[in-house]
Amino acid sequence: NAGVTQTPKFQVLKTGQSMTLQCAQDMNHEYMSWYRQDPGMGLRLIHYSVGAGITDQGEVPNGYNVSRSTTEDFPLRLLSAAPSQTSVYFCASSPGIGQPQHFGDGTRLSIL
Amino acid sequence: GEDVEQSLFLSVREGDSSVINCTYTDSSSTYLYWYKQEPGAGLQLLTYIFSNMDMKQDQRLTVLLNKKDKHLSLRIADTQTGDSAIYFCAERYTGKLIFGQGTTLQVKP
Repeated sequence: NAGVTQTPKFQVLKTGQSMTLQCAQDMNHEYMSWYRQDPGMGLRLIHYSVGAGITDQGEVPNGYNVSRSTTEDFPLRLLSAAPSQTSVYFCASSPGIGQPQHFGDGTRLSIL
Repeated sequence: GEDVEQSLFLSVREGDSSVINCTYTDSSSTYLYWYKQEPGAGLQLLTYIFSNMDMKQDQRLTVLLNKKDKHLSLRIADTQTGDSAIYFCAERYTGKLIFGQGTTLQVKP
């Protein structure tokens, strides 16, 4: 049971670099989402998708892009990394919107 | 916007009961959730309660919901050192989950 798989687990970037955080789930879940976790602020929703081909913005979408070409994959792209994007990023999925979500183990990202 | 508030820290002795509290603002929330996060890991769903319930019990966990006061609590009976973690409450708002800041539970032997 792989569940939700995130890669990489750790990454260090320089300001201005771009990168893609990968997220894959093998549970045939329609709903997928990306959160960032910062100390004392809980989890904040970046982007979400209710199904293949459909994405929408969450609470803190600026600086991030997403796409959902398949049910299984939901990559998160940082186009030009900034130090303010240093955070732990979690991907989650659920059978439908609002239902209990299954989380990946996170990607710890540092922007220098 | 919608807001979920939790106290940041709770310390208990092993064997005692722990009570973690949460308040939320959206009176139309249908589900409220409790998640547990251990160091270096993602969030694990512990339990959830539907808004038409006042209480839900699951082994050592008891969830109490006071809709009038918009207050949710998680009681852990016979707290063990393995319960040390960050606990997040979350409310379902317009289909999305809004998380609190998380309560760090420290269990002393």
